[in-house]
Amino acid sequence: KAGVTQTPRYLIKTRGQQVTLSCSPISGHRSVSWYQQTPGQGLQFLFEYFSETQRNKGNFPGRFSGRQFSNSRSEMNVSTLELGDSALYLCASSAGLKQETQYFGPGTRLLVL
Amino acid sequence: QKEVEQDPGPLSVPEGAIVSLNCTYSNSAFQYFMWYRQYSRKGPELLMYTYSSGNKEDGRFTAQVDKSSKYISLFIRDSQPSDSATYLCAPMDTGRRALTFGSGTRLQVQP
Repeated sequence: KAGVTQTPRYLIKTRGQQVTLSCSPISGHRSVSWYQQTPGQGLQFLFEYFSETQRNKGNFPGRFSGRQFSNSRSEMNVSTLELGDSALYLCASSAGLKQETQYFGPGTRLLVL
Repeated sequence: QKEVEQDPGPLSVPEGAIVSLNCTYSNSAFQYFMWYRQYSRKGPELLMYTYSSGNKEDGRFTAQVDKSSKYISLFIRDSQPSDSATYLCAPMDTGRRALTFGSGTRLQVQP
């Protein structure tokens, strides 16, 4: 099976812009979770989607949003970018039912200038 | 206080050594306990997971969970230079369906 794929892999934006990141889960997986990884805060949970519905959300401002499509692919959007949004954004997929294990993609590295 | 505490290291050991990596946690709702390995500039790779208390072995890796003391361990036997990476413990509260990561321990296995 192909793993989790994320696009783009690298991105450079300036403050105030918005950005959209994409994630394709493992085939058959219906749950997609997003995490932010920074040197200072480590890996932090952003939100989780299952069957096109957001099931859980972490403690991030409303500038961070996401959605999931009927084919389970997911996108996350960050509006009005701030310097502190520079991070590795990771997507993880799981079957979303009783199987709780999450498999991560390679991440999108975002640099905000 | 963080929900999951993990010594950041770095931990340097000679090839062939037994490595012990540990985490403590405070949230009693955690039921699944994952260990991930992350190489530099890569996404985390799932190594092992356990459900509730107990041991689980997979090749050179053994995961232990003691829910009574809220203590999580990963042992690596016969460590190899290719094991050099950052190891992240990540318990999950199945109600929230979110992994809570430790800060990660950077391991260096010297040939």
